[in-house]
Amino acid sequence: EAGVVQSPRYKIIEKKQPVAFWCNPISGHNTLYWYLQNLGQGPELLIRYENEEAVDDSQLPKDRFSAERLKGVDSTLKIQPAELGDSAVYLCASSLGSREAFFGQGTRLTVV
Amino acid sequence: KQEVTQIPAALSVPEGENLVLNCSFTDSAIYNLQWFRQDPGKGLTSLLLIQSSQREQTSGRLNASLDKSSGRSTLYIAASQPGDSATYLCAVICNTDKLIFGTGTRLQVFP
Repeated sequence: EAGVVQSPRYKIIEKKQPVAFWCNPISGHNTLYWYLQNLGQGPELLIRYENEEAVDDSQLPKDRFSAERLKGVDSTLKIQPAELGDSAVYLCASSLGSREAFFGQGTRLTVV
Repeated sequence: KQEVTQIPAALSVPEGENLVLNCSFTDSAIYNLQWFRQDPGKGLTSLLLIQSSQREQTSGRLNASLDKSSGRSTLYIAASQPGDSATYLCAVICNTDKLIFGTGTRLQVFP
């Protein structure tokens, strides 16, 4: 069974440029999460989807971040414009409700 | 607000030792608790999930316990190996279905 797939694995962009990350969850998982992880810290939730609905986006900086989950499957997280402080690892995870969560390999973003 | 703390922040042990990693949380109203392993530059690998009605789970050399009333969980690693070197993260799942993570314990097992 394929796990959670994220792309790209690495991304380097100049500040003020846009960037997008893509996530394909485990088949059948209705819950999808985007987490942000800074160096030496635990992941922090950005947004959680139940099927197509964003049920928790309270930590998403909506002035520059946006996300969508079309047809309740794949999801895209976008930053526009990127700032130096956005450099981090962006993790996607999926689960079936509140059961065991599975994470992708993450996208390491560097903003220069 | 739920807060998760992991102690110690870093641990270095010789190969073969049995060791215990600690996780504490402030709000005992949790659904599940999950332990993860993270290798440098990689994503999180799920190790064990303990449901709120359970007291422990075992997988190979790993044993995780949960005491909801005291807000604690421990991850026991038996006969540690250099390949166990990684960062270990615990996360609690609350009624919002959100995973709240600790900052992790960075483990190094040397030969």
